[in-house]
Amino acid sequence: QKEVEQNSGPLSVPEGAIASLNCTYSDRGSQSFFWYRQYSGKSPELIMSIYSNGDKEDGRFTAQLNKASQYVSLLIRDSQPSDSATYLCAVNTLGGAGSYQLTFGKGTKLSVIP
Amino acid sequence: DAEITQSPRHKITETGRQVTLACHQTWNHNNMFWYRQDLGHGLRLIHYSYGVQDTNKGEVSDGYSVSRSNTEDLPLTLESAASSQTSVYFCASSERSNTEAFFGQGTRLTVV
Repeated sequence: QKEVEQNSGPLSVPEGAIASLNCTYSDRGSQSFFWYRQYSGKSPELIMSIYSNGDKEDGRFTAQLNKASQYVSLLIRDSQPSDSATYLCAVNTLGGAGSYQLTFGKGTKLSVIP
Repeated sequence: DAEITQSPRHKITETGRQVTLACHQTWNHNNMFWYRQDLGHGLRLIHYSYGVQDTNKGEVSDGYSVSRSNTEDLPLTLESAASSQTSVYFCASSERSNTEAFFGQGTRLTVV
């Protein structure tokens, strides 16, 4: 069973601070990594994708990938109350019949305190 | 704009009844997925399809079935609804197996 692990939180940060969200995965063959944001009662929304080692920045968001350590993280700079949500890490893992499928972590709940 | 839509958004059904949840996407994606989301379990894959006439079982497929007769639709059927199938169901699609998936709005199903 391929696993994706995240701290469930809640993670509380003050407004304007950096929020750091972490994720580890078990399938060394994984090649695609994603971060989704999910507001309460809503569907997951893609915010970042990363495919190679290193950092990828998009506005206030930075995704970091280290395949050797099987670790992917998401940094949110200048956190805003509107960033309060559950963040889901998703990893492309090899399933049955040689096909790839997205496996999700259980999510980290982030609260940004005004 | 291309999108993925689920219907109904909310449904209450009785134990033992057959229920079908609809998923329709206009992205023209080959890959479609059904997940269920429960507190403490996160998103779990039920069934997925990589093209017309292709269907595969996911992590929690018991009691569920899907069929893919065209690119746009992947209906999910609960053969005989059970209380354990009370959950929020999400449909998703992706262009390729290693690319991001886009989600529908979700269907909240209650089995009483």
